[in-house]
Parts: sequence; structure tokens; C-alpha cells
Amino acid sequence: ETGVTQTPRHLVMGMTNKKSLKCEQHLGHNAMYWYKQSAKKPLELMFVYNFKEQTENNSVPSRFSPECPNSSHLFLHLHTLQPEDSALYLCASSQDGLDSRDTQYFGPGTRLTVL
Amino acid sequence: AQKITQTQPGMFVQEKEAVTLDCTYDTSDQSYGLFWYKQPSSGEMIFLIYQGSYDEQNATEGRYSLNFQKARKSANLVISASQLGDSAMYFCAIFDFAGANNLFFGTGTRLTVIP
Repeated sequence: ETGVTQTPRHLVMGMTNKKSLKCEQHLGHNAMYWYKQSAKKPLELMFVYNFKEQTENNSVPSRFSPECPNSSHLFLHLHTLQPEDSALYLCASSQDGLDSRDTQYFGPGTRLTVL
Repeated sequence: AQKITQTQPGMFVQEKEAVTLDCTYDTSDQSYGLFWYKQPSSGEMIFLIYQGSYDEQNATEGRYSLNFQKARKSANLVISASQLGDSAMYFCAIFDFAGANNLFFGTGTRLTVIP
């Protein structure tokens, strides 16, 4: 498998559920990202990991918890979400996130609906 | 202030014609990178083209070219010989060091190619 993969592609959960989103990159990159895409809003950066270390937490509520066990895998753990958290969650990876030429490659996203 | 402004929420183009999608940006950095991504209805963000602030030539990638006007802070995407498969959302993004090494996206332009 090549590129960036995300599972599941679709997720419906209640506000009291706990679920996890998974991202895997097969590009040999060292930086990984979580973005949130809501309707009619620009992509919002949530978290950044460089070489497995979290380097950015963009004021994300604690009900979103990232985990990066190695440079190829990134998880987003979800618990007690709100309906306004319904969105497309995109994962991306790049070589090292340190240079203006560093291109980010995205996965297909997880469409999350919170009931 | 928004880092990226895309003033065209929607654009239509006849198949086989060329179309220009506008993007203006705001940065105080001298070194930065500009990116264009395509997002079909499937959700995945597909990297199209990159322009570095110090690049003297306008970037080209197949049918995509970037009309980079540094003094005007604009980086318009030109798609030549439009195809039906070009119908999608198109996002302009900037990476600059003033933004804490993050990629900032515009709100996008929805392009519809008419047969």
C-alpha cells in the first residue's frame, strides 16, 4: 500500500462513546499532522508530530487526544465529543515539517458524525 | 488577518478551456512556500503544485501552472485544457516561518467543468 491511509473512512458515534481514528503513512516521512475540516471553514491544524514528538497543539479541546507510537502511525483518540465536532478529519505527512518546501501529503479522511 | 484569501467561492469552465483560480496571501516572511491542493468529493487532498518565494520561474506541473506575482502577493493557479475530472474544490495554502512552521489554507474555490 502506498501514500497515506486512514481508517475508518466513516464513523458515527454518540457523545458518550470512545473511538479512535488511525492514520498510517508509507512514505518514509518524519512529520505527521491531524487537521479538521468543517463546512465553509478553512482547514484547521490540530496536532503536529515531528520525529514522534508532539510539536504543536493548536488549542484543541482535551476530548481529542493524539498518539504517535512511531513515525509511520498516528492516532486520534476521541471521547465525549460534541455534535459540533462532526467534520472531516484529515491526516497528512511530510518529510520533516521544517522547511517551506516541505510538501504535505494527505490521506482520504475520516468523515465523523457525532449524534 | 487571513494568510490566504480565495475570493472565488465557485467557478465554472467549459471542458477543454483554461481557467484561473485566484489566491492572494499575506506574510511578512521573505522565505515561504505556496501550495495548491485539489479535493474531489471523495475527500482526499491531492497535492498539485508548489511555488517557492525565491523561485524565479513560475511553477508548472503538466496542465497546472502557477502565475506567481510576488510584489502583488498573488499565486493564481491556471488549469489548461480543463477536463471533467477537474471538477473539485481547490485550496491554496502557504507555509511560512511566521506561522510556526505550519501550513495555512484558504477557504477554497469549487470548480465545475461543464461538458
